[in-house]
Order: sequence, then C-alpha cells, then structure tokens
Amino acid sequence: QSALTQPASVSGSPGQSITISCTGTSSDVGSYNLVSWYQQHPGKAPKLMIYEVSKRPSGVSNRFSGSKSGNTASLTISGLQAEDEADYYCCSYAGISTLVFGGGTKLTVL
Amino acid sequence: QLQLQESGPGLVKPSETLSLTCTVSGGSISSSNYYWGWIRQPPGKGLEWIGSIYYSGSTYYNSSLKSRVTISVDTSKKQFSLKLSSVTAADTAVYYCARLLLPEESFDPWGQGTLVTVSS
Repeated sequence: QSALTQPASVSGSPGQSITISCTGTSSDVGSYNLVSWYQQHPGKAPKLMIYEVSKRPSGVSNRFSGSKSGNTASLTISGLQAEDEADYYCCSYAGISTLVFGGGTKLTVL
Repeated sequence: QLQLQESGPGLVKPSETLSLTCTVSGGSISSSNYYWGWIRQPPGKGLEWIGSIYYSGSTYYNSSLKSRVTISVDTSKKQFSLKLSSVTAADTAVYYCARLLLPEESFDPWGQGTLVTVSS
C-alpha cells in the first residue's frame, strides 16, 4: 500500500477557489468510489469533510466539494475563507478492508 | 453524540510494546454499520492507517505494520485496543482512534489523539 499523492501545499486568496488533487492507482482510487477527505487544524484531530468521493456530512459547508476522474480524486474549496487554512488529507479504500491515506496538503489562505 | 477517547502510556522504551485503548461513549460499539480503526501521525508528517476491527473481532491491518500489530475489542467495556510490538523511534506519533463508517469507508468521528514517544 503506497500513500496517495497530494501536492505538499496550495494557496489562495479569500473568496477564491482552490483544488487539491489526490492521485492513486487502479487498485485504490481508480477502483472504488470510496474516497474521503479530512481537514486538520494544528493540534487537532482530523475532521471528515467529504466521503464517497463527493458526499458531504451534515454540517459541512457546501463550499467543499469532491470529484474523481480515473485514478485522481479532487477536493475543491470555493469562496475561500481564513478558517479553511489547514492540512487536508485524502483517503481511499484499497480493497480487502484496507485503506490508504495521502501525504497531506497544507492550504494557506493568503 | 458518539465520542472516542484514547488512553495509555505516553512514553515507551525501544524494543518494547506500545499499548493503547480507545473507549467509546455515547453509542454502541457492537453495531453492524461500523468498524473501529487506529490511525497514527508522526510529528510533522501525514496520517497512516494502522488497522481496523469489527465488533466480532475481525481485523484488517496495514501490510507494512502487520507483523507487529494486534488490534482487539472488548464489547463489554466498549473498548478496542492497539498493541504494537518491537517499537523504535520511528513509531513515535500521535495515535488516533476513530469509527470507520460502512459502507462509506470513512472515519468519523475521531478521538482527540494521544502522543506516544519511543525513547529510552
């Protein structure tokens, strides 16, 4: 199980939109619509933001959206706000009840 | 509201066994809709899935840790536990427990995490 590939960092100005990519393989991201995304603020536990590629848990802002094409999943945050500054991790089901995380992306709101 | 709380020693000596327990409150540990998982995060690094357990005791482990990991469950105490043997400094991390939703295969909620340092 190799970690999914995410950009180390992305940045954007308030009000703008940013997209974070998460690239896996045909054994994980490409085979299952079971990609989730987590937001982690410094010193805090991760929080589920997106599950099953594009579904939002209750209480998560509709500014967060997810998609997938082939072996790459993406998280888009629109109308960027200062509170969105955090680390973001993708995670994919990889078969036989195993899971793999991405390396994480640091989002900076300029 | 479901809550999870990790507990265990914050300092473990090299070559010894790391042992942590996660206590579940505000909900059932025996539901067929969930697994229960352990995830760790070395300081300044990313998340790593360690393994998951069903209330019946079925387990699944990260292949890179499988030879050293044991996850168990005690439904009567609403707890599940992690044991990681032969630890080294590379096992120093914040260890999180979390509920794994089925069939969504996503973790929610998470415990607050506990830092375990491996040092003599």
